Amino acid sequence: EDQVTQSPEALRLQEGESSSLNCSYTVSGLRGLFWYRQDPGKGPEFLFTLYSAGEEKEKERLKATLTKKESFLHITAPKPEDSATYLCAVLEAGNNRKLIWGLGTSLAVNP
Amino acid sequence: GAGVSQSPSNKVTEKGKDVELRCDPISGHTALYWYRQSLGQGLEFLIYFQGNSAPDKSGLPSDRFSAERTGGSVSTLTIQRTQQEDSAVYLCASSEKYEQYFGPGTRLTVT
Repeated sequence: EDQVTQSPEALRLQEGESSSLNCSYTVSGLRGLFWYRQDPGKGPEFLFTLYSAGEEKEKERLKATLTKKESFLHITAPKPEDSATYLCAVLEAGNNRKLIWGLGTSLAVNP
Repeated sequence: GAGVSQSPSNKVTEKGKDVELRCDPISGHTALYWYRQSLGQGLEFLIYFQGNSAPDKSGLPSDRFSAERTGGSVSTLTIQRTQQEDSAVYLCASSEKYEQYFGPGTRLTVT
């Protein structure tokens, strides 16, 4: 069964303490992998798309990387405003544009 | 430019009543998606539209749920004879290619 698994479920960091979130996936063919950020009471906010193994994308303190079976979201020197739930989703090769979503990692950054 | 908008932002209804939720996608986006998110849970796919047709409606929980899209733009999600388990945040997203952009959601409470 196609699925997306995110770990850890929750992560608490001190301000400035770098870490990584993991998204592992099992699909028969990957068209794209997506990272989103969701703040409480809001819709998910698009961050990155990765299409092929070895690809990397960066935005401020965030860097996303992709291998054939997993993706990492690296957070460098996080600030309290980085606190949010980070969601990973996968688009399988084919005509269906439905994303397969992970359950997210809830990140809290303490000042 | 304008993002995805949803109305109403909050809806409280009595069990057994029908409700309509509206989504205005980003102009020019051909695909539109409906999701449901219960408190502390992941995103549950409901249906997606490509233009005015729905290639995948596999996520609709029961025949009480229906959706339509007219003119390749606005979409309405209708829930008939609402039940307490329908209480959740209903999120709409639109896309031009693969990345989905979300609205703020409609919080539905069934009393």
